Amino acid sequence: SQQGEEDPQALSIQEGENATMNCSYKTSINNLQWYRQNSGRGLVHLILIRSNEREKHSGRLRVTLDTSKKSSSLLITASRAADTASYFCATDAQGAQKLVFGQGTRLTINP
Amino acid sequence: DAGVIQSPRHEVTEMGQEVTLRCKPISGHDYLFWYRQTMMRGLELLIYFNNNVPIDDSGMPEDRFSAKMPNASFSTLKIQPSEPRDSAVYFCASSLSISYEQYFGPGTRLTVT
Repeated sequence: SQQGEEDPQALSIQEGENATMNCSYKTSINNLQWYRQNSGRGLVHLILIRSNEREKHSGRLRVTLDTSKKSSSLLITASRAADTASYFCATDAQGAQKLVFGQGTRLTINP
Repeated sequence: DAGVIQSPRHEVTEMGQEVTLRCKPISGHDYLFWYRQTMMRGLELLIYFNNNVPIDDSGMPEDRFSAKMPNASFSTLKIQPSEPRDSAVYFCASSLSISYEQYFGPGTRLTVT
């Protein structure tokens, strides 16, 4: 099964609202990454959070990591239509020597 | 830098034919990854290279798939013979380190009829 699993699978909100996506994983990690994929395009790296970090910001993005719960969340504030995309978490599990991607959350921002 | 370059962008072929996908990683990146993405299975890691050497090919579906990296600036993924169930989008990605962010190419959409 996937190391990282996103929740919800799909999310639809109004422009201007905040969007929160969650990722749960199973084993201890070195870091966790979030990626965005626009329709028909490759994945684009958004943010990386290390296992000893609890929160990280990048523009309108805020990522939290709770290693005790083995979970992470991605918050997009003041959403825009251009944020419509699929969002994936990827975990670098200790000893795994590779990233494992979740199934993604499909986010739709309605104008 | 132009980013990761993949070719072709689209490939339509008949079952039984050989398919070769190509990738040029970002210059200076030591790691190169091949992924396959389908609706049913999501994004799957097929194989990755470090300094042109295959490190983990446990995701390669079967012997019909093979990948090579003859030099630091070029890699191929070959499917022979191709089957309809190979239809997917194939991505190449590169990175400086196994734990760092990966840079993805635009993908090759493969359709096998």
